[in-house]
Parts: sequence; structure tokens; C-alpha cells
Amino acid sequence: SQQGEEDPQALSIQEGENATMNCSYKTSINNLQWYRQNSGRGLVHLILIRSNEREKHSGRLRVTLDTSKKSSSLLITASRAADTASYFCATDNFGNEKLTFGTGTRLTIIP
Amino acid sequence: DGGITQSPKYLFRKEGQNVTLSCEQNLNHDAMYWYRQDPGQGLRLIYYSQIVNDFQKGDIAEGYSVSREKKESFPLTVTSAQKNPTAFYLCASSPPASRYGYTFGSGTRLTVV
Repeated sequence: SQQGEEDPQALSIQEGENATMNCSYKTSINNLQWYRQNSGRGLVHLILIRSNEREKHSGRLRVTLDTSKKSSSLLITASRAADTASYFCATDNFGNEKLTFGTGTRLTIIP
Repeated sequence: DGGITQSPKYLFRKEGQNVTLSCEQNLNHDAMYWYRQDPGQGLRLIYYSQIVNDFQKGDIAEGYSVSREKKESFPLTVTSAQKNPTAFYLCASSPPASRYGYTFGSGTRLTVV
């Protein structure tokens, strides 16, 4: 079953602009993670935010979490062509160590 | 370098044939997972194993089987009972408790011919 739903499904922006992707989920979580997938490749872990955290930064990435709205956002600042990829959120539910992935946002950075 | 190796990268299966996808990790991770990804979609969990000689069904286990005889290895067999096996298969591993994030292999693309 899909726990998360990313929004938008696809996003195209000019290089240098900021990209924002959103994720909504249905049940209480232990933590939420974001992954990147380049075409035809495996996923790469980007960042993890715990349920008791509201914001986290890693380089050009900023993640927010609103547990009352069951939603998270991923902001990529100053986008680069190399950021072109699909981005997935994944949730780890209490008492259940397996991750459930969302449907992904396909991000295209236009040089 | 530590990581996860999936092989083969591409695999072709004839109707009614069983095929086995390999997944090996040298990260000393306890937990390993198999996911299926269909075009333009997210990942769906097939099987997972949190310890050697033990594994559990995921959301779409029908038509698949696994074994976990060694910590490093978690092969996936796609049986003839899986009626629509054409997909991208991803193996992942993690230390105890997924709060550290998963490490993924580079995937195997399986096509029925």
C-alpha cells in the first residue's frame, strides 16, 4: 500500500530557481525520509526527519514536517541540472520498521 | 567500498520460467528488502528480512520467494506464478531500525519475452 502521496507529480523549473515538493501521508509516523532516484538507478537517501522535529537542513536541502497535517515538504535551493531526478518520500511507522514509499515527484531542471 | 550489488542489471524471462535475482551487501546490515517499481510509480514491498533465516511477506509477495541463509545475501526468485513480472526490482538494506535510512542497489530490470 502507498502511504505517501507526493505533489506535484512532475515539476519543471529553470536552473537556479528553488524547487518545492510536498508529501502527504495517512497514519502516524516514527520518521519521514526523502530519497532521490536518477533514471534507471537505485534510490539514494537524502535526509531523515523525526516525528518530533519540525525542520531539518542538509546543504541545499530543507525539509519540514507538520505532523498535525500529516505532511512534509522538500525544498531544493539554487537548483542545478544534476538535481534532475525523481524524489520520493518514505515513512517509517511506529512498531513497523519497514519503509512505505510515496509515488514520487519527477523534477526536471532546465539549463 | 561498502555497498549493495544487484545482478544481473537486465534479465529476460520466458513465460513459465522461474528466475532468481541476486542481492549481496557488505555493509554488515541486519535488514534487507526487495521492492518492485513499475514505470512512473513508487516502490512496493515484496519481502523483507530483519535477521538471518527469517523473512516476512510485504504488500505484494504473491508469485515471489526469498531466502536469507547468509547475512550478506537476500536472493529473490520470481516464479511462474507471478503473472506480470515485468518491472524494475530494487534491493535495499539498513542497520537495525530504519531511522538511519536505506542503502539501495542499482536495480535489476526484468522483462518477460
